[in-house]
Amino acid sequence: GAGVSQSPSNKVTEKGKDVELRCDPISGHTALYWYRQSLGQGLEFLIYFQGNSAPDKSGLPSDRFSAERTGGSVSTLTIQRTQQEDSAVYLCASSLGTSEREQYFGPGTRLTVT
Amino acid sequence: GENVEQHPSTLSVQEGDSAVIKCTYSDSASNYFPWYKQELGKRPQLIIDIRSNVGEKKDQRIAVTLNKTAKHFSLHITETQPEDSAVYFCAAIEPGKSTFGDGTTLTVKP
Repeated sequence: GAGVSQSPSNKVTEKGKDVELRCDPISGHTALYWYRQSLGQGLEFLIYFQGNSAPDKSGLPSDRFSAERTGGSVSTLTIQRTQQEDSAVYLCASSLGTSEREQYFGPGTRLTVT
Repeated sequence: GENVEQHPSTLSVQEGDSAVIKCTYSDSASNYFPWYKQELGKRPQLIIDIRSNVGEKKDQRIAVTLNKTAKHFSLHITETQPEDSAVYFCAAIEPGKSTFGDGTTLTVKP
């Protein structure tokens, strides 16, 4: 079946512009995660959704970052007034729901801020 | 919050040798410990996982051990092959939060 998809696959934007990244989880997966991976680095946890609810937003790096999920499915991560340090690969993952379940990752969106 | 430390950061072994990667975590609320393999330019993929009520799990050449008391878990790969070369990440998962280690770059020399 279809896996997790993300769009766009690559995004180049100018410093100060807003960007919106999209994640389509596996159908039926109630849990959705966003991560940021800088070049050669580990995965930095950003936010978790259970259904449409994100109970803890403290992982978001700054108030320029926001995320939402609608209909228990698609999620968008928005970065306002992008900075060069926002350049990274943004990965989305989904799982069946509880914490003890495999997370399936999408291919990521490579964001470059010039 | 949770803190996961992973060692070593790089590991080079000869084909056929074993490789061991170790992780420690700090938050006793973590109850699920997956290991992911990430090849260059690819997405992370689960290779093995262990839950907090289990001490050891094995899948062919790959095994994971968990010591809840000491808060550490390890990945063991036996009979390594060149295709095992990749970056390996451990993670400690608790309800609503995932914390990953910084990764280990494993190189298997033929």
